[in-house]
Amino acid sequence: RKEVEQDPGPFNVPEGATVAFNCTYSNSASQSFFWYRQDCRKEPKLLMSVYSSGNEDGRFTAQLNRASQYISLLIRDSKLSDSATYLCVVKGGNNDMRFGAGTRLTVKP
Amino acid sequence: EAQVTQNPRYLITVTGKKLTVTCSQNMNHEYMSWYRQDPGLGLRQIYYSMNVEVTDKGDVPEGYKVSRKEKRNFPLILESPSPNQTSLYFCASSKTGMPSYEQYFGPGTRLTVT
Repeated sequence: RKEVEQDPGPFNVPEGATVAFNCTYSNSASQSFFWYRQDCRKEPKLLMSVYSSGNEDGRFTAQLNRASQYISLLIRDSKLSDSATYLCVVKGGNNDMRFGAGTRLTVKP
Repeated sequence: EAQVTQNPRYLITVTGKKLTVTCSQNMNHEYMSWYRQDPGLGLRQIYYSMNVEVTDKGDVPEGYKVSRKEKRNFPLILESPSPNQTSLYFCASSKTGMPSYEQYFGPGTRLTVT
């Protein structure tokens, strides 16, 4: 079983839709959690860190559920520019980083 | 401009010919890391470094070496490359203080070993 698992998608949604991604992790000692976006084999870019209390940045909301060991990302009012692959990242107790394989999102006009 | 640079961006080499991929950051970050990305497998961590002279193995360290003699540089060395090391490689850096471990990535190095 992979340490960090994501639904690979693809998710194809119309502009304006709300879409949610989930990510599960297996190491209960994991300390920090992040969402990155990656465009077409370019470098990943930080979208947001995920805090225990949940956090929001504009149209993006991230949640952490430590008891069930999953994190989520909600995108509201999807834009064409949101089309990308979304990567879930978990920092372990040894400061190592584990990436999910990514969820591909395509937003269509 | 805050950035992580990698060189070369593209490299085609032959089996067994030693190579080094350089990585440099200008943000005074403590944490630096190397990843490889392969289709269907996502990014996997090769090595990481918490600070100068401190390096640790990641998920897939076999066949790679690193060093951290200066804070800004973290080169990746392939002593004897093999075709299974053909991949897209990313270097990244981050602070360890707040906001911690939010990584900045270099543009990537596409390596082909024939």
